[in-house]
Amino acid sequence: QKEVEQNSGPLSVPEGAIASLNCTYSDRGSQSFFWYRQYSGKSPELIMSIYSNGDKEDGRFTAQLNKASQYVSLLIRDSQPSDSATYLCAVTGSQGNLIFGKGTKLSVKP
Amino acid sequence: NAGVMQNPRHLVRRRGQEARLRCSPMKGHSHVYWYRQLPEEGLKFMVYLQKENIIDESGMPKERFSAEFPKEGPSILRIQQVVRGDSAAYFCASSPRDIDYEQYFGPGTRLTVT
Repeated sequence: QKEVEQNSGPLSVPEGAIASLNCTYSDRGSQSFFWYRQYSGKSPELIMSIYSNGDKEDGRFTAQLNKASQYVSLLIRDSQPSDSATYLCAVTGSQGNLIFGKGTKLSVKP
Repeated sequence: NAGVMQNPRHLVRRRGQEARLRCSPMKGHSHVYWYRQLPEEGLKFMVYLQKENIIDESGMPKERFSAEFPKEGPSILRIQQVVRGDSAAYFCASSPRDIDYEQYFGPGTRLTVT
């Protein structure tokens, strides 16, 4: 059974700080990794995908992948109150479906 | 370019009734995935479909649940004889390709069983 683990939080950071979100996965053969943001009562919104070891940057977001350690992280620079949400880590299963962690709740304090 | 569309957005059913949830994928996307999110729990995969084919239904309960994606029209998730435990948010996601590609989610249908 493939699993994705995340710290449920809440993770609280002050406005302007860097938020660091972490995720580990159980299947060493996983190839694709995604971060989604979900506001309360809303649907998941894709914010980053990463397929290769290393860093991938998009605006204030940086995803980091280390396949040897089975570890994915998301850094949010210059955090804003509007970043307050639950962040979901996902990896692809054998048929292309996504396997999600339970999410980390982020709170950015003004 | 319209995103993934789902309807209805909210659905109330009494125990024993049937629920039909619809999903229209993004234009150009032929892969549809259904997920369920129970209150205070994570998203769980239910079923993966392409046009006229069920590719993987390993996450779907064996009884009362079925899904289809006909040649014409939206994908439909059908729940027969609903029970209170079916109350959840049901999300559809679509993708232009299969394995390892990005999936985009619709707004979801929130099912309440009374």
